[in-house]
Formats: sequence, C-alpha cells, structure tokens
Amino acid sequence: GEDVEQSLFLSVREGDSSVINCTYTDSSSTYLYWYKQEPGAGLQLLTYIFSNMDMKQDQRLTVLLNKKDKHLSLRIADTQTGDSAIYFCAESSSGTYKYIFGTGTRLKVLA
Amino acid sequence: NAGVMQNPRHLVRRRGQEARLRCSPMKGHSHVYWYRQLPEEGLKFMVYLQKENIIDESGMPKERFSAEFPKEGPSILRIQQVVRGDSAAYFCASSPPEGGRGYTFGSGTRLTVV
Repeated sequence: GEDVEQSLFLSVREGDSSVINCTYTDSSSTYLYWYKQEPGAGLQLLTYIFSNMDMKQDQRLTVLLNKKDKHLSLRIADTQTGDSAIYFCAESSSGTYKYIFGTGTRLKVLA
Repeated sequence: NAGVMQNPRHLVRRRGQEARLRCSPMKGHSHVYWYRQLPEEGLKFMVYLQKENIIDESGMPKERFSAEFPKEGPSILRIQQVVRGDSAAYFCASSPPEGGRGYTFGSGTRLTVV
C-alpha cells in the first residue's frame, strides 16, 4: 500500500534554516501537504503543492518536490522557537479524500 | 468562525466502557472525516461522512466502532467496550461540499483507556 516516510527528529539553532524531508511511494499522488502540530493542538495546514509543480514558496516556507524520486521537502528560513512542533507530510491522489500521513518530524529549535 | 470543534479534549475510560467523541465541523462544511493517531504514528483515515450518510468507512475497525453525522448536531464517533489498544488521539476534519485542498482539523480528543 501507499506509504509516506519522514525522519523522526530534527534539531536546529534559532535563526538557521530547517529542512524537513519526506518520501512517498504512491506514483499517483496528486497533492502533497505539510501540516504543523503544536503540543496538545490539532493539525494546521501550512502549505500544499500540486504534483506538476517543482517548487512553491510562501514567506519563510519553501516546498520542493522531486517527483522522479518521490521526495518532498519543507524548508523553513530563519527558524524561530515558535516553529518548534511536529511537522507532518501527507499525500492524496486526485479524486480521493483519503490522506496518507507520515509519522511526523519533531522539530526542536534551540535558542 | 470557530473552526472544527472537538470535545472532549481528553477522555479517560475503563476497559469495557463506551467512549463518545464529538465533532462539530466548520460553519458551511458538510463533509466530516475522522482520523486516528496512535502513539508515535501518523494519522490514519477511519471514516468519511456527509450529513446522514456514511460515505466510506473502510478505515474503521470492523467491530465496536461506529460513526454518525445526523442532520442536526455534531458528528459522533462511538467506541463500544473500549480496550487499551483504543488509546489514541482521534482527529476530526471537515471540508465544504465542493471539496478543496487541505482539510481543517480539530484539536483532537485524546482517549486513554485504563
């Protein structure tokens, strides 16, 4: 079945860039998403990218998609302590409503 | 707009009891999705409902779990005769009738079975 994988932990210093990586297996993935989960909270949609795009930028966030390698990354520029959270990668195929989530990457930002 | 509201935030049940989790979608949203997050895992799809209809329950365990979304009131996820393995965070998401990209999730209900 479809699978989405992420590394479990990432630690960066405040002001540095963070890069969170994700790989997926479903060739028919049409949309790929990044969600942020702060402690005790729900999931907040950060951004998404359509599979015919290579890159999407939104303020401090840059999403890169390598469709050939099925690799997605989220870059956070000038990382702040408020960015400390779990980041989930998810994918869905066109016409479906089921999202396949990764296990999440716990980002810790050191002051 | 209050967003997707779930309650309770935390629920403790003894083995064998029933758990009822409630989800009120965002205003104007008529599609509701339930996901479960087991410890150290990602979210897994459980069920997709529209008002008074279960559209897809392929992710629901065959026994003890049921869901409904009545014409009036919140969507309910019911777990009967809970077991320790049901301990998880249960998230609800909603979307408008025309769909759209990226669900809005509630804050979740964290169920602990003791």
